[in-house]
Amino acid sequence: RKEVEQDPGPFNVPEGATVAFNCTYSNSASQSFFWYRQDCRKEPKLLMSVYSSGNEDGRFTAQLNRASQYISLLIRDSKLSDSATYLCVVLYSTLTFGKGTMLLVSP
Amino acid sequence: GAVVSQHPSRVICKSGTSVKIECRSLDFQATTMFWYRQFPKQSLMLMATSNEGSKATYEQGVEKDKFLINHASLTLSTLTVTSAHPEDSSFYICSARDNTEAFFGQGTRLTVV
Repeated sequence: RKEVEQDPGPFNVPEGATVAFNCTYSNSASQSFFWYRQDCRKEPKLLMSVYSSGNEDGRFTAQLNRASQYISLLIRDSKLSDSATYLCVVLYSTLTFGKGTMLLVSP
Repeated sequence: GAVVSQHPSRVICKSGTSVKIECRSLDFQATTMFWYRQFPKQSLMLMATSNEGSKATYEQGVEKDKFLINHASLTLSTLTVTSAHPEDSSFYICSARDNTEAFFGQGTRLTVV
């Protein structure tokens, strides 16, 4: 089983739609969890950290389920500018990246 | 926020030559930096962990004699791709962490011809 798994997509959604991504991780001792956004040919940028209690930042909501070892990202009211690859990142001793989920938001 | 600067952003070199990539943490001290490689449509794959003042720790399958890492100061780590081959063409990214998050360099797109 891969350490961090994500559905590669692409997820094609219209503007204004709500879209959710899931990510599973294999190491139950993982300490911290993040969602990063990567635009084509650019470096990843932190979107948000994921806390056990769940957290929300504007249109973005992240959830962590330690028992089932998955994290999720919910994007509401999708914008064209949300089109990117979303990377699930898990920290144990090093950062381990999922392969990313591609989101394409169309007019 | 903290900034990590990586240079060069793009390099084209001939097969058999060596290429050096620099990674600098601009406003914080990084005792540990990470080097990743990303092939097209693939995830970021950790190559090695660079430790200031000591030898780097390489991931399985990464040749330490080919990818030389030097972390001479708390703000600078370098990755040298020696005797580059076309299959080394990739996107190389460095990363450094402060206490709360990881910051990435802008990446270096290496093309070996």
